[in-house]
Amino acid sequence: DAGVTQSPTHLIKTRGQQVTLRCSPKSGHDTVSWYQQALGQGPQFIFQYYEEEERQRGNFPDRFSGHQFPNYSSELNVNALLLGDSALYLCASSYERGAYEQYFGPGTRLTVT
Amino acid sequence: AQTVTQSQPEMSVQEAETVTLSCTYDTSESDYYLFWYKQPPSRQMILVIRQEAYKQQNATENRFSVNFQKAAKSFSLKISDSQLGDAAMYFCAYGDAGGTSYGKLTFGQGTILTVHP
Repeated sequence: DAGVTQSPTHLIKTRGQQVTLRCSPKSGHDTVSWYQQALGQGPQFIFQYYEEEERQRGNFPDRFSGHQFPNYSSELNVNALLLGDSALYLCASSYERGAYEQYFGPGTRLTVT
Repeated sequence: AQTVTQSQPEMSVQEAETVTLSCTYDTSESDYYLFWYKQPPSRQMILVIRQEAYKQQNATENRFSVNFQKAAKSFSLKISDSQLGDAAMYFCAYGDAGGTSYGKLTFGQGTILTVHP
């Protein structure tokens, strides 16, 4: 049973560029949440997708957007990258928007130079 | 807004000993979930234990148990018979059971646990 997978593992971008991160949920899960984790900090909730719609959003600017596909996989897009966007981006999947039993992927380490 | 506070940036324990990690939270909700997650170095986050706020009984998972004090808004994690593999960053997290914030997890700042052989 495949767990949550994310790609790419690492990414280096230049300030002002755009980036797309990808996530495949654990088999049978229909909800995907994205979190940003700065070095040495706890994850911060970005948004959650369920039934291909954004259902919850944290305190992040509109430069952060996402998408969920019919197969429940998801993308996180960040436009106009800032140095402060450098972080580990975590994807978590669960059933039916549940706050419980969220399974996390290994993350994508984004470095903005 | 809900907040989660972990006041111990670092803790250490000898192998086979017991250690307790502290967590406090703030919420106006009566129904919610609390979690402890473990994040080993360069490895992914793993759910250690979960507690439903409506349950009086403290959750237990093998060597891991919690002390849930709802009135005090306290949620500590006890690790018994500590093993070298327990070394990791531990995060306390809160999730609403319903309402407009349902589905969002709020995390604390984390506690780095070192296990000495």
